[in-house]
Amino acid sequence: GESVGLHLPTLSVQEGDNSIINCAYSNSASDYFIWYKQESGKGPQFIIDIRSNMDKRQGQRVTVLLNKTVKHLSLQIAATQPGDSAVYFCAENSGGSNYKLTFGKGTLLTVNP
Amino acid sequence: DVKVTQSSRYLVKRTGEKVFLECVQDMDHENMFWYRQDPGLGLRLIYFSYDVKMKEKGDIPEGYSVSREKKERFSLILESASTNQTSMYLCASSSPGQGSSYEQYFGPGTRLTVT
Repeated sequence: GESVGLHLPTLSVQEGDNSIINCAYSNSASDYFIWYKQESGKGPQFIIDIRSNMDKRQGQRVTVLLNKTVKHLSLQIAATQPGDSAVYFCAENSGGSNYKLTFGKGTLLTVNP
Repeated sequence: DVKVTQSSRYLVKRTGEKVFLECVQDMDHENMFWYRQDPGLGLRLIYFSYDVKMKEKGDIPEGYSVSREKKERFSLILESASTNQTSMYLCASSSPGQGSSYEQYFGPGTRLTVT
């Protein structure tokens, strides 16, 4: 079946640097994408989402980019802080139903002080 | 704020026991989900429910059942726990009526160990 995957399972950055976390998806029918952050011992928390009719969406210190041509999604975190250390998941709604999400396996981001 | 609560943060059960994991949400959401999370495998959907008494199998339903008697509560049942069901279990809820967002709100998780 089709699934969402990540290019890098781990990412280590210095505090203050920008971080980029990548995600590849294979279902061309997907019309909604979402990024979650999961800190140790907690459930995933919403960061930002984007619909397929957009290429870019910005939040507070975060930007999501969507490239439908190559089926690629990225999360950019500006001025990364120690509190950003977590596992980051991308997820997609495949369009077949209006409520199911398919999750990627996650990237562990470590921010070094 | 949406709040999703799970009955236990940690559980230790013996092989063959019947296990109940409870999830409650306070935002009147129609949809509720049960996932398990294992290292290297991400979140995998076990079951979901889109209305009271309605349920559908997810990607890995074998060995599990669910119950949704009230809108706010979604229970995951392990009829006869096995060691390969040792995992982190996450409950989530969502409402398809909230604009165009399919955002799911997650509980804190239950770490289940079956010995």
